[in-house]
Amino acid sequence: EAAVTQSPRNKVAVTGGKVTLSCNQTNNHNNMYWYRQDTGHGLRLIHYSYGAGSTEKGDIPDGYKASRPSQENFSLILELATPSQTSVYFCASGDAWGGSAETLYFGSGTRLTVL
Amino acid sequence: SQWGEENLQALSIQEGEDVTMNCSYKTYTTVVQWYRQKSGKGPAQLILIRSNEREKRSGRLRATLDTSSQSSSLSITGTLATDTAVYFCATTNAYKVIFGKGTHLHVLP
Repeated sequence: EAAVTQSPRNKVAVTGGKVTLSCNQTNNHNNMYWYRQDTGHGLRLIHYSYGAGSTEKGDIPDGYKASRPSQENFSLILELATPSQTSVYFCASGDAWGGSAETLYFGSGTRLTVL
Repeated sequence: SQWGEENLQALSIQEGEDVTMNCSYKTYTTVVQWYRQKSGKGPAQLILIRSNEREKRSGRLRATLDTSSQSSSLSITGTLATDTAVYFCATTNAYKVIFGKGTHLHVLP
């Protein structure tokens, strides 16, 4: 069974503070993703990676950085958190077949509140 | 936006009824995926359909893909209360997987 683990599950941060969301996968998948989910917007892609050492910008990367130090770990970093970044964040892993992304396996999400 | 405007946002039906959800997309894709997200959980894939397939079935689920009209549908036959969830379609272009806004399906027991 595919396993993607996010930490923490819940986080309260202050405006201007630094926040790091962590994701670990044991699937040995090459691709990893960070999405945020807000009412009315569905899931929006922030950053993704297709292997250790790589990070790519998704559709809404402003205010976020990503780090992929190893195959297993992918972090999302908010250097200066703002209230508009209050959301539920999902990490996912997936593999590629013929260069096309395949099934994504999601973690359980991190609920971030920025006060 | 990558998505068309006709994606249905919310649907409420009685258990046992059949339902079809549609999505349309604007950008090129080789794969359409359908995911289901239950309350408090991450999304989980239901069906993946490729551009060379017009239809795919899995149990009570049936997905279609029409690349000429850039649209896909997901049908559920004989719905159960446990089918209550948000259903997303997602397009794939290389390594990017982009999700639509989703359809909230509420199946009443």
